[in-house]
Amino acid sequence: EADIYQTPRYLVIGTGKKITLECSQTMGHDKMYWYQQDPGMELHLIHYSYGVNSTEKGDLSSESTVSRIRTEHFPLTLESARPSHTSQYLCASSSNEQFFGPGTRLTVL
Amino acid sequence: KNQVEQSPQSLIILEGKNCTLQCNYTVSPFSNLRWYKQDTGRGPVSLTIMTFSENTKSNGRYTATLDADTKQSSLHITASQLSDSASYICVVSDRGSTLGRLYFGRGTQLTVWP
Repeated sequence: EADIYQTPRYLVIGTGKKITLECSQTMGHDKMYWYQQDPGMELHLIHYSYGVNSTEKGDLSSESTVSRIRTEHFPLTLESARPSHTSQYLCASSSNEQFFGPGTRLTVL
Repeated sequence: KNQVEQSPQSLIILEGKNCTLQCNYTVSPFSNLRWYKQDTGRGPVSLTIMTFSENTKSNGRYTATLDADTKQSSLHITASQLSDSASYICVVSDRGSTLGRLYFGRGTQLTVWP
């Protein structure tokens, strides 16, 4: 069954740690996205990719980085987590319509 | 500036009642408008997608309307159920870029009480 997966679903980590949020999709979509969403607020695009070896920064400035080595995989990395990075991170992929993963709730203490 | 505004911010209704959520947008050039349902702690799930020429579209108990002239959309929920409790997000796409940029509203938080 075609789907989009994110792991972990929840992560609590201390300041200064390096973390990688995983996102995988089985739909063969070229376009993939990372959004950041705070409670009660709209989604903000932080990274996107048109395909393998293509990555671009989105509208919201983010200290995170992404890579796209394989079509189905679009991981997001924070080299040194800070409390200001506490948020929900949503991954999506699209053909004509965007499909969202379940999200990762990140808490940095 | 491309924006999407939703109202009300939150809404509480009793199970079985109907409700209507509003969305106003200034996105141009317009491509399509989507309504998503987002359960707490989950990713958004698409309910409807409407293009410029479509005035109304239904998906079960959900009916979306679009007035492209006034740049307004509504989502009507009929005979609400407890499982309808969620955030409903209006998303407008422009056709001015190859990315098909999406503009998100902040959502209407709907709570259905028994």
